[in-house]
Amino acid sequence: GAGVSQTPSNKVTEKGKYVELRCDPISGHTALYWYRQSLGQGPEFLIYFQGTGAADDSGLPNDRFFAVRPEGSVSTLKIQRTERGDSAVYLCASSRSAGGTGELFFGEGSRLTVL
Amino acid sequence: GENVEQHPSTLSVQEGDSAVIKCTYSDSASNYFPWYKQELGKRPQLIIDIRSNVGEKKDQRIAVTLNKTAKHFSLHITETQPEDSAVYFCAASRGNTGFQKLVFGTGTRLLVSP
Repeated sequence: GAGVSQTPSNKVTEKGKYVELRCDPISGHTALYWYRQSLGQGPEFLIYFQGTGAADDSGLPNDRFFAVRPEGSVSTLKIQRTERGDSAVYLCASSRSAGGTGELFFGEGSRLTVL
Repeated sequence: GENVEQHPSTLSVQEGDSAVIKCTYSDSASNYFPWYKQELGKRPQLIIDIRSNVGEKKDQRIAVTLNKTAKHFSLHITETQPEDSAVYFCAASRGNTGFQKLVFGTGTRLLVSP
């Protein structure tokens, strides 16, 4: 596609439920990132993939959060036993290469609300 | 780890005025400093970036300056227009580690009044 695509755009769930958020990066982009943006804050790094492997997952807040990218393209962020504090916009971004010179292209985000 | 502070949190200007947003960073190894514009409910979009081997960069009405010694960088927008109204985020990263683990500031809401 022309840009980074994220689904769903909005997700409302109840505390304790399981959620999956999907990211489809720009075709040909090898690097994929997940960020989380809380209201009134800047995006916070969660995890980075180079190809299929998670090269850095140091931003994941705890073991309820997990992400995969099995074929090196689409990625899924998985959140178990959701808590109200997980409510935020989850942004996915991709870049052409892993190098530090590549522009990050963000998706529109998935807004997660945990009731 | 890196910490990026940004100010002001809100900035109101009249159309045609200049706007300046300032950021400081803590990690002296950071060498890549992008600025993103985010309109309400939209994705962040890169508007300009600067690397540590450059002190200033301009792109039409937008310029960014970097002072590595003081560890601060600034965004300058001249001849502001109502469509410049948005939230602006600065960020910093160690680009040469192989990926861009961007650390963002808390954002500046710019309002340009006609």
